[in-house]
Amino acid sequence: AQTVTQSQPEMSVQEAETVTLSCTYDTSESDYYLFWYKQPPSRQMILVIRQEAYKQQNATENRFSVNFQKAAKSFSLKISDSQLGDAAMYFCAYRSPNQGGKLIFGQGTELSVKP
Amino acid sequence: NAGVTQTPKFQVLKTGQSMTLQCAQDMNHEYMSWYRQDPGMGLRLIHYSVGAGITDQGEVPNGYNVSRSTTEDFPLRLLSAAPSQTSVYFCASSPTTRRGYNSPLHFGNGTRLTVT
Repeated sequence: AQTVTQSQPEMSVQEAETVTLSCTYDTSESDYYLFWYKQPPSRQMILVIRQEAYKQQNATENRFSVNFQKAAKSFSLKISDSQLGDAAMYFCAYRSPNQGGKLIFGQGTELSVKP
Repeated sequence: NAGVTQTPKFQVLKTGQSMTLQCAQDMNHEYMSWYRQDPGMGLRLIHYSVGAGITDQGEVPNGYNVSRSTTEDFPLRLLSAAPSQTSVYFCASSPTTRRGYNSPLHFGNGTRLTVT
């Protein structure tokens, strides 16, 4: 079974600085999808960025980018120019097209942003 | 466009009581799923479905039942509530085409359940 591990329960960053959140996963599949979701205190789940495993190019969405290392099974999220609104729980997630599309989340990293 | 609708938003149960959490979506999504969220454990998949009449177990299925009689609805049943089932529950849906797997899950607003 696939697993997703986020080893940093909490992270802190100064406003305008850069922070990297770590995520590793375990799978024997070659075709899958990876996601980062943000959950602010409102509990709403917001998609931050996504990556298809067959694409070697790292995904980028404005200030958010990923470092996807397929061989190492690593999928870290970099937030540049951090803003107060970035403070939230961040979840890494793995989705397999071979198992009905079930999506598995990591344990989450709580990010705080200091002014 | 309602998206994913979860009811109720809050619920308090006594140990041993049963209840059903309702989830409905109006986007014609084949994939629907239930997660529970607990501090330090992220969102854990309880059950999921890829279409009417098809359900499968996730990571933590014990104590929960599901059925999928229509594309729109995916209720979660707690047969005999236990304090360990105190949690926030989320329903989520998405398409299941190949392109759909790359789509974000659409989440409901969550149900906070307390079992005393």
